[in-house]
Order: sequence, then structure tokens, then C-alpha cells
Amino acid sequence: AQSVSQHNHHVILSEAASLELGCNYSYGGTVNLFWYVQYPGQHLQLLLKYFSGDPLVKGIKGFEAEFIKSKFSFNLRKPSVQWSDTAEYFCAVRMGQAGTALIFGKGTTLSVSS
Amino acid sequence: DAMVIQNPRYQVTQFGKPVTLSCSQTLNHNVMYWYQQKSSQAPKLLFHYYDKDFNNEADTPDNFQSRRPNTSFCFLDIRSPGLGDAAMYLCATGGAHRTEAFFGQGTRLTVV
Repeated sequence: AQSVSQHNHHVILSEAASLELGCNYSYGGTVNLFWYVQYPGQHLQLLLKYFSGDPLVKGIKGFEAEFIKSKFSFNLRKPSVQWSDTAEYFCAVRMGQAGTALIFGKGTTLSVSS
Repeated sequence: DAMVIQNPRYQVTQFGKPVTLSCSQTLNHNVMYWYQQKSSQAPKLLFHYYDKDFNNEADTPDNFQSRRPNTSFCFLDIRSPGLGDAAMYLCATGGAHRTEAFFGQGTRLTVV
């Protein structure tokens, strides 16, 4: 079955630490890849997306992600986190042709202490 | 400027009393999604439409139904809400090709 896995359930970092959140999916065909962020009490916001081309994509707020096709992975990174990055992070994958379902991973809670 | 609008933002319904949540979009997107999100959990896809084609997830209970009368509107009907259906319900839209999903603010459903 098609699925999206996020390896880290809860990550706790100090400000200025580097961040990497893992995301893997199970599908051998064409994928569209996304990372969404949800701040407490707010709706989902897009951080970045990958459709094709350069596998290293840059998003808002200093986030970036790298698509490694051979590993079916799309890991999220940020060199130096801030307290304001405290939020829930979701990896989402659209697997297959246009109009197919957008599936979310279980999410990672990031807590950044100042 | 709101592109995906969900109404109401908060809905309280009685156990077993049918309830309808609505979603409208100004983006003219082909795809509309309904997700259920419980506290501290990932959004769970209930179903989605690609134009008029309805796609139900295998584990979506029969208690949940949906209607899409036109491109702009989509409804989520819960025929007999149970306490376990209390959640945030998210509507999202997406284009047919290479677009992200745009989310509404959600409707928080409380079942009493």
C-alpha cells in the first residue's frame, strides 16, 4: 500500500541547532512531494514542494529539502532553527497521475528552546 | 483574498444528528479533498474529487459522505455523528498538475 513515513515523532532542539527531518514514501512511480507546517492553532501552510528538476529545493523561512529518488526520501533541513520554528511538520506525497490523493505522514513535532 | 473557505469554523452537533460541513474555493481547481485531523495527529484523507470523479479512501466509514455540486463547492455530510468523529475537518483544493494543496481554515466539529 502507498504510504508516507516520518521517522521522528518529536524533536527537541536548542536555538541555532541544525534540523533534519526524515520522510520516506512507498511508491515507485511519479511523485509530487511537499512539506507543510502547522503552527499551534493555525492551518496548514506549505513550506516547500518538489515536482521535478533540481532535487534540492528551497522553501520559505530558510527551509530546504532534498529528493533522493533511489532512497524514496524527501528530507527537510534547516541549518539553524529559531524558537519560532516550533510547530508540527508534515511530509505529504501525491503518488501517481494528476488528481490522485495527497497522503500525509504522521507528522513531527519540533520544539525549539531559546 | 481567502481562496478556500470553510463554513462554519466551529460546529457543535448532537450525537447521531446529521451535520453538513461546507467548503468553497475561488481557485477553480479540479481536485478537492476532505481530511479529518484529530488532535496531534496527521490529516487523514477521507475522500477526494477529481472534477466529478469521487474517490473514497478504503477506510473511510460509510457514515461520511460527500457531494460536489459544482467546481466551487464541496460538502461533507456526517450522517450519524459519534463522539469519535469530533475532530478538525480540513478541506483542500489542488490543480490537476503540479500544484500544491491549498487548505482552508478548517471546521472544528464537537459532538455532544
